[in-house]
Amino acid sequence: DTGVSQDPRHKITKRGQNVTFRCDPISEHNRLYWYRQTLGQGPEFLTYFQNEAQLEKSRLLSDRFSAERPKGSFSTLEIQRTEQGDSAMYLCASSREGDSAYEQYFGPGTRLTVT
Amino acid sequence: AQSVTQLGSHVSVSEGALVLLRCNYSSSVPPYLFWYVQYPNQGLQLLLKYTTGATLVKGINGFEAEFKKSETSFHLTKPSAHMSDAAEYFCAVRNTGGFKTIFGAGTRLFVKA
Repeated sequence: DTGVSQDPRHKITKRGQNVTFRCDPISEHNRLYWYRQTLGQGPEFLTYFQNEAQLEKSRLLSDRFSAERPKGSFSTLEIQRTEQGDSAMYLCASSREGDSAYEQYFGPGTRLTVT
Repeated sequence: AQSVTQLGSHVSVSEGALVLLRCNYSSSVPPYLFWYVQYPNQGLQLLLKYTTGATLVKGINGFEAEFKKSETSFHLTKPSAHMSDAAEYFCAVRNTGGFKTIFGAGTRLFVKA
């Protein structure tokens, strides 16, 4: 059973550095989502892809954040000039095409710590 | 705008006791409603969802939830708690036709032996 995978699982970086996370969705899923979860909170929506097209972005996704999904397969989320406030768990999810009621399957997340 | 309120950031029950986790939502259109569970250092796993039809929804691990439109509620219940139920639980709402899921702040469930 190949679920959603994320790499790395943990990342510690110094303030001001750039980081990039990768998400591999379930193979037949063409929709992919990124969420951010801070301690004691639920996940917050960041962005959504349908195939390679980025269709929705949250205002939380500042200009230091960029997400891509080349060829509609894996996705990367890059944070430039990291700040301590970026410390969080970054979750990726995927779902199959069709009704929006379809389940979003979540990966294990990448925990980012900015020192 | 949609929002989700989970009453109680922490709930503690004894093993074998009833579990009740409360969730209220606001949505301007008919919503899809979800409950997820998250174990430490893991992603979220879907427990159950309401889309249309029967308002009492059964999920995995013996959990169920009832959609009450008049009360804008979607409370999660389990008749008898097990130690393995200790985790964080999130209620979530999504617009029909939309893909952005709005999550509540979560309720951490503690199960005492």
